[in-house]
Amino acid sequence: GNSVTQMEGPVTLSEEAFLTINCTYTATGYPSLFWYVQYPGEGLQLLLKATKADDKGSNKGFEATYRKETTSFHLEKGSVQVSDSAVYFCALSDTNAGKSTFGDGTTLTVKP
Amino acid sequence: GAGVSQSPRYKVAKRGQDVALRCDPISGHVSLFWYQQALGQGPEFLTYFQNEAQLDKSGLPSDRFFAERPEGSVSTLKIQRTQQEDSAVYLCASIKGRGGSYNEQFFGPGTRLTVL
Repeated sequence: GNSVTQMEGPVTLSEEAFLTINCTYTATGYPSLFWYVQYPGEGLQLLLKATKADDKGSNKGFEATYRKETTSFHLEKGSVQVSDSAVYFCALSDTNAGKSTFGDGTTLTVKP
Repeated sequence: GAGVSQSPRYKVAKRGQDVALRCDPISGHVSLFWYQQALGQGPEFLTYFQNEAQLDKSGLPSDRFFAERPEGSVSTLKIQRTQQEDSAVYLCASIKGRGGSYNEQFFGPGTRLTVL
C-alpha cells in the first residue's frame, strides 16, 4: 500500500535560517504529492503540490520538487519567519479517488 | 459557506455511548472524505463519498463506525459503543470534482473526540 515517511521533529530554527523537511514516499502508479500546513488552532490547509515527476510546487517562499527517482518531495524555505511556526504534513494522493495518505507531521518552531 | 465546517468541535463521551459527528462541505463539492487523526500522527483515511454514494469505506476500523451522506451534501460519521481507542480528531475534507489525485482537498477544523 501507499506510505509517506517524514523527517521526525520537532525542528527548532532561528528566524532567517534555512529549512529542509524531508519526505519520502512509497506508492503504486503516479500519485500527486502535497505539503499541508496546520497553524496553531487551525485546520489543515494546502501549502503546495506537484502532480508529476520533476514538477516543482511553490508557495509563500516554500518549495518542493517531485523526485520520482528518489521517491522524495522535500520541503525547503530559504529564510524562515516566526509566523512559519506550524505542523507540516507531507501527503500523497491516490490516482483514482483522490484519498490521501499522510506522514506523521513535523512540528516547526521558529524563534526570533 | 466559505469553508468546510464540522460540529461539534469538541465531544466528550463515556465509553459505550454512541456519537454522531457532522460535516458540512463547501457548497457544490462533489467528493467528501473522512479522516481520523490520532495525537501526534497524520490523518488516516476512513471513507469517501462521491455525491451520496459511499465509494470507499476501506479505512473504517470496525463495524461500529458508520458514515452517510444521504442527499449528497452534509455527511454524518456515527460511532457506536465508543471505546477509548476511538479518541482522536475526526477530519472532514471536500473536493470540488469527482476526486482525482491532483485536486486540492479542503479540510474542516475537525471534531476532537475524547472517550472516557
